[in-house]
Amino acid sequence: NAGVTQTPKFRVLKTGQSMTLLCAQDMNHEYMYWYRQDPGMGLRLIHYSVGEGTTAKGEVPDGYNVSRLKKQNFLLGLESAAPSQTSVYFCASSTPRGRTDGYTFGSGTRLTVV
Amino acid sequence: AQSVTQLDSHVSVSEGTPVLLRCNYSSSYSPSLFWYVQHPNKGLQLLLKYTSAATLVKGINGFEAEFKKSETSFHLTKPSAHMSDAAEYFCVVSEAGNQGGKLIFGQGTELSVKP
Repeated sequence: NAGVTQTPKFRVLKTGQSMTLLCAQDMNHEYMYWYRQDPGMGLRLIHYSVGEGTTAKGEVPDGYNVSRLKKQNFLLGLESAAPSQTSVYFCASSTPRGRTDGYTFGSGTRLTVV
Repeated sequence: AQSVTQLDSHVSVSEGTPVLLRCNYSSSYSPSLFWYVQHPNKGLQLLLKYTSAATLVKGINGFEAEFKKSETSFHLTKPSAHMSDAAEYFCVVSEAGNQGGKLIFGQGTELSVKP
């Protein structure tokens, strides 16, 4: 019962570098989400997906891209990292009843951009 | 648009005393409301949820919350704090919509428990 798995758990990037965060879920959930967590701001939605091959922007999408080529995977990309993207990133998944059932979260990726 | 406000950024209690974490929400629809807990360097775990059934909701680890529509509140309580309750707690409201019902998070309340 792995649930939602995020890789890597920690990463340090230099400004301008690129990277991809991987989220994998084994619950056959249709919907997947990427959030960032910053002190005093809770979690803010970056992008989400309601099915394989579909993605949509959330509250803070600038500087990020996503892809959902397989139902179980949701990738978050940073093309040119900036210090403002230093944050903890959480992936989550849900059924289409996520608004009443809640989401299952991964354990997070701590990213530092220097 | 829906929103949620956690009224305290930090709460400190002594072990064995009651816990009260306050949350107010705004919603144009019948909301679903959640409390999540995040222990240090861990992911988020669902504590409890309200989805228009009983207004008093019981969750894990002895926590409960009461939905009060007239006050637009969903405060989290526990009769007796334990050291292991020290964590950050998030009040969350779901946004009605056709796609996914996105969750909207409060700013978080850090709970400290003193011996």
